[in-house]
Amino acid sequence: QSVLTQPPSASGTPGQRVTISCSGSSSNIGANTVTWYQQFPGTAPKLLIFSSHQRPSGVPDRFSGSKSGTSASLAISGLQSEDEADYHCATWDDDLSGIVFGTGTKVTVL
Amino acid sequence: QVQLVQSGAEVKKPGASVTVSCKPSGYTFTSYYIHWVRQAPGQGLEWMGWMNPNSGETDYAQKFHGRATMTRDTSITTAYIQVSRLRSDDTAVYYCARGTKWLVQGYWGQGTLVTVSS
Repeated sequence: QSVLTQPPSASGTPGQRVTISCSGSSSNIGANTVTWYQQFPGTAPKLLIFSSHQRPSGVPDRFSGSKSGTSASLAISGLQSEDEADYHCATWDDDLSGIVFGTGTKVTVL
Repeated sequence: QVQLVQSGAEVKKPGASVTVSCKPSGYTFTSYYIHWVRQAPGQGLEWMGWMNPNSGETDYAQKFHGRATMTRDTSITTAYIQVSRLRSDDTAVYYCARGTKWLVQGYWGQGTLVTVSS
């Protein structure tokens, strides 16, 4: 029963642009910044985007984040085979006084 | 470099308790919050709560109030989570991660698989 909704899957061919949405409400995304994580099977999540659009050092600039109202998006430009992974959004929820995660999106490179 | 090393996999029976440890290194233990996040097989991430290693203050997701307990031992710079009254749906990989009060940052433990089965 995740509070944030993501599409279960997304796909694209190498070089394409893929966008993943994360839908929330006024108490979470509408009020706070969004974080995105990348996770490969059997490994811990890796921080990809923080403060809705900031990239940690070492994260390729083909990954970008944005937020508008109660939704956020992660875009992968110039999709590469190594981008095939699960992607999770997260933010603080003021009503729940806790961190909430999205349902997760599996990205497949065709 | 920053690392968080967790204890090994556990198999427990329903109704039992489990304790997972998390030992950070590469930074001052008391300077960052420790979050616990779990992931059931094939499912998404679920935040369980955080602990301030400096004060020992904790906060839990509503779902885990009264069933999860986060503690720390500053003398050995180790954090713990105990989950009691285990059920089969507690079967998951449990992660510790470094962060601020509101954000889980980029440093996670390797995960500890807890299997609850009769």
